[in-house]
Amino acid sequence: DAKTTQPTSMDCAEGRAANLPCNHSTISGNEYVYWYRQIHSQGPQYIIHGLKNNETNEMASLIITEDRKSSTLILPHATLRDTAVYYCIVRVPRFPGNEKLTFGTGTRLTIIP
Amino acid sequence: DVKVTQSSRYLVKRTGEKVFLECVQDMDHENMFWYRQDPGLGLRLIYFSYDVKMKEKGDIPEGYSVSREKKERFSLILESASTNQTSMYLCASSLEETQYFGPGTRLLVL
Repeated sequence: DAKTTQPTSMDCAEGRAANLPCNHSTISGNEYVYWYRQIHSQGPQYIIHGLKNNETNEMASLIITEDRKSSTLILPHATLRDTAVYYCIVRVPRFPGNEKLTFGTGTRLTIIP
Repeated sequence: DVKVTQSSRYLVKRTGEKVFLECVQDMDHENMFWYRQDPGLGLRLIYFSYDVKMKEKGDIPEGYSVSREKKERFSLILESASTNQTSMYLCASSLEETQYFGPGTRLLVL
């Protein structure tokens, strides 16, 4: 799986959009970009994933650059409950052979009241 | 909504005890996983299962076993708990290779 680089921490005001960047310059053509988050002492929560097109769901939007070397997760109206560590992962979602999920250090997002 | 539940949020056991951690998913997923998560070590895969009665070893299976008698249920067994098995245990299930996690069980072995 390709390596990702994320800022260690970010703050965002409550009610504003939170934009979390991720660099994955060595991504290969069949690797997807996945985002998870983990609120303190809870299990990781799947947010969104995409290959090359921008994606949106009820939780967030994922913007992937045209060269696929970076992406941005957007939480449109951040709330205090969005305070968590956010993990960007690039991987080939293939079973069997690639079952293991590996999280990096992620971005600790703090929503400020 | 995908729902993965784990039998306990917190558990305290003594060294040498046999420990059962239960995981249930309600979305008819084929694949289920057990991880442990430790500070500085990230997520580590213990065992996974593609189907009922099937199991595969992950990266750190030693000291653990699993059981999958029904599709919705995947159990992790610590045969004889040791202090180095104190950890956060996470169960996941997958649909189309996207893994969904349960809330976790924080196990303390004394």
